[in-house]
Amino acid sequence: GENVEQHPSTLSVQEGDSAVIKCTYSDSASNYFPWYKQELGKGPQLIIDIRSNVGEKKDQRIAVTLNKTAKHFSLHITETQPEDSAVYFCAASFSNDYKLSFGAGTTVTVRA
Amino acid sequence: GAVVSQHPSRVICKSGTSVKIECRSLDFQATTMFWYRQFPKQSLMLMATSNEGSKATYEQGVEKDKFLINHASLTLSTLTVTSAHPEDSSFYICSAKGGGTDTQYFGPGTRLTVL
Repeated sequence: GENVEQHPSTLSVQEGDSAVIKCTYSDSASNYFPWYKQELGKGPQLIIDIRSNVGEKKDQRIAVTLNKTAKHFSLHITETQPEDSAVYFCAASFSNDYKLSFGAGTTVTVRA
Repeated sequence: GAVVSQHPSRVICKSGTSVKIECRSLDFQATTMFWYRQFPKQSLMLMATSNEGSKATYEQGVEKDKFLINHASLTLSTLTVTSAHPEDSSFYICSAKGGGTDTQYFGPGTRLTVL
């Protein structure tokens, strides 16, 4: 099955700086890569996703890049704010069954 | 984004009893719903996939007779934890996706504590 690895496990940044989280996946058939933000005691919230026919996608301060050849994708958050502090999960799936395989998560702390 | 609700948000039960958790898609028809379990400071682990009107598909190691899943309509799926034990205490989260899309929207989760 699919195996998704996520790094780093924790990330502390100064407010206004950028944060980058990287994930690798094992199954070359995976074609959908969402990113979720989870606050304490809440369910994951979809923040951005990318499909394998696209190399980069941006939504305001958030961007995701995908390198299919290397089988890795990254989340970039610019101009970080304290409310960006949360646990971020990457995931991968293939459209035959839509099952998401999640990374281990990255705890992001934005220092004011 | 689409809205998915769960009820209850938290439940405490005695060992040996059964607990039912509801997952509803509020503004779209969910052809597929997924149930996850999350232990503290860990990632989400898929338990089962349910398609409306058919039997759920369970992941390896998940007991189907212990975790009963019913997906009776395009907006409702239920997870029943039968004969709950303290080791079943966890955060249970559902997600839902509509037809023709691979995007999953998650519910707020249900905190189950078994005494």
